[in-house]
Amino acid sequence: AQKITQTQPGMFVQEKEAVTLDCTYDTSDPSYGLFWYKQPSSGEMIFLIYQGSYDQQNATEGRYSLNFQKARKSANLVISASQLGDSAMYFCAASGFQKLVFGTGTRLLVSP
Amino acid sequence: GAVVSQHPSWVICKSGTSVKIECRSLDFQATTMFWYRQFPKQSLMLMATSNEGSKATYEQGVEKDKFLINHASLTLSTLTVTSAHPEDSSFYICSARDDDVGNQPQHFGDGTRLSIL
Repeated sequence: AQKITQTQPGMFVQEKEAVTLDCTYDTSDPSYGLFWYKQPSSGEMIFLIYQGSYDQQNATEGRYSLNFQKARKSANLVISASQLGDSAMYFCAASGFQKLVFGTGTRLLVSP
Repeated sequence: GAVVSQHPSWVICKSGTSVKIECRSLDFQATTMFWYRQFPKQSLMLMATSNEGSKATYEQGVEKDKFLINHASLTLSTLTVTSAHPEDSSFYICSARDDDVGNQPQHFGDGTRLSIL
């Protein structure tokens, strides 16, 4: 079973600045995936980025990058050049065999 | 691609009513779909894994008879909240993954806000 820990209940960042959202995980599965999702106030879950446990390089998707440190069991999300529309809840998640386990989330607020 | 449609998006009904929520994968097939429940300001909690052509697998503490799941085809799973009561009021959201593509994330529907009066 996986366990996801997001220690930052809330984060503030100024527009155009970069921000790092922390995520650590605990799993006994030899192969797993790590995901980040964004949930705006409207409720939908938007997939942002994926990192496989055997991937050698850190995943990147536009302004999103995943700082994957396997030995530390961390998978932090870095958002570069923050935009006002980035204000939302962000969930880190891990999957082993099919199931997806979520962290408690971090609320990001981007100010002008 | 990989669009999941969930309907309805908002339901308000009287206590004792049964409510059906549909989850459809629009442009891919999904042998497995997932149903989550989310309370305000909390994370998503997996309720059950919906398996096409077989019984759903429920998480510990989830009442099978209260939350009926039917996965009748490779593109449709339904969650029926039977005899709903105010404590069943919550945000319910489904997800699915494209079976034919490896290392794919789960794609989520837009969720259903259920309010029982």
